[in-house]
Amino acid sequence: EAGVTQFPSHSVIEKGQTVTLRCDPISGHDNLYWYRRVMGKEIKFLLHFVKESKQDESGMPNNRFLAERTGGTYSTLKVQPAELEDSGVYFCASSQDRLNEQYFGPGTRLTVT
Amino acid sequence: EDKVVQSPLSLVVHEGDTVTLNCSYEVTNFRSLLWYKQEKKAPTFLFMLTSSGIEKKSGRLSSILDKKELFSILNITATQTGDSAIYLCAVGNYGGSQGNLIFGKGTKLSVKP
Repeated sequence: EAGVTQFPSHSVIEKGQTVTLRCDPISGHDNLYWYRRVMGKEIKFLLHFVKESKQDESGMPNNRFLAERTGGTYSTLKVQPAELEDSGVYFCASSQDRLNEQYFGPGTRLTVT
Repeated sequence: EDKVVQSPLSLVVHEGDTVTLNCSYEVTNFRSLLWYKQEKKAPTFLFMLTSSGIEKKSGRLSSILDKKELFSILNITATQTGDSAIYLCAVGNYGGSQGNLIFGKGTKLSVKP
């Protein structure tokens, strides 16, 4: 069974540019989560989808971040315009049920210069 | 504010040693505690604990939860160099969409030959 995949693995952009990260969850997992780890800090929750619906976006830092999951399969996370403090590793995870264990992807390392 | 604290932050041992990693938490409406192993990229799921006093075991790894004292330990016996990784502790609660995991900073374990 394929795990959670993320694309790209690493992105380097300049401040003010736009970046879109993609996550493909494990097939059949309705629950999809985005997390972020900035340098020296713990992994922090961003938001939670159930199928195509946002269940909880309390962790989204501001309105420069937009997450979508059209069709309830893969998800994208767009940062526009990117700022220096957005640099970090963005993880995606999925689970069959919201109370089950979450399976993580390898992350996308975002560097904003 | 909900928080998860792991100790130690870093640990160096020799092959064959036994190690104990600690995770304490202060989380409202506790639901579950999860352990992950992160070697290079994706955190890999190890255990999910929901009940006090019931040990979960997988090979040389075991974990137990104490909901009264609000902590969990992860034991690794007869360590091998392949156990070198960052071990992450995360707690799920019944707040929000119930999908939000709150992470500790992790314990970096290095096993020397």
